[in-house]
Amino acid sequence: SQTIHQWPATLVQPVGSPLSLECTVEGTSNPNLYWYRQAAGRGLQLLFYSVGIGQISSEVPQNLSASRPQDRQFILSSKKLLLSDSGFYLCAWSVAPNYGYTFGSGTRLTVV
Amino acid sequence: AQKITQTQPGMFVQEKEAVTLDCTYDTSDPSYGLFWYKQPSSGEMIFLIYQGSYDQQNATEGRYSLNFQKARKSANLVISASQLGDSAMYFCAMREGLGFQKLVFGTGTRLLVSP
Repeated sequence: SQTIHQWPATLVQPVGSPLSLECTVEGTSNPNLYWYRQAAGRGLQLLFYSVGIGQISSEVPQNLSASRPQDRQFILSSKKLLLSDSGFYLCAWSVAPNYGYTFGSGTRLTVV
Repeated sequence: AQKITQTQPGMFVQEKEAVTLDCTYDTSDPSYGLFWYKQPSSGEMIFLIYQGSYDQQNATEGRYSLNFQKARKSANLVISASQLGDSAMYFCAMREGLGFQKLVFGTGTRLLVSP
């Protein structure tokens, strides 16, 4: 069966520290992968998406970057975190066109 | 311009009653898909229902139905016989075009179901 794993579940990081969030998908090949961020009490904002290994598209210019080193692995990174990077980060992959996304369980990041 | 608009920040409903959550969308693409997701306090996003722009009938999934009015560009979610476990944030989303999928989400509606 197809599953998506995202970790860690929660993270508290100081301003200026690096970040690495990992997302992996099982049970499928060549998925479309996405990173979304949700600020407290807000909707989801698409940050990055990838249609294949090494192919990354950025939706919003920011302090973050993404990489896809393997077919089923998607990584969100930052060299130096800002307070405004706090939020709930969700990884997702797309299945059939009429099934939308399947989301990971999310990472709640607090930058202090 | 906003592609997906959810005008109700919060809604209240009594258990066992029906509730409608509003969603309007904006697109010039004749091919699109509309989705509803539920986000409980745990944060996970749960897919509820899908409506394609060419679908002739309104989508239904158990207690969920989508009131699709194409001319008005609205895709309201109807939850029948509300349960306490329905209390959550609800997001409407749209995919435009065929092929590669990129979902755009609305700002969400918080639903509270009271006993």
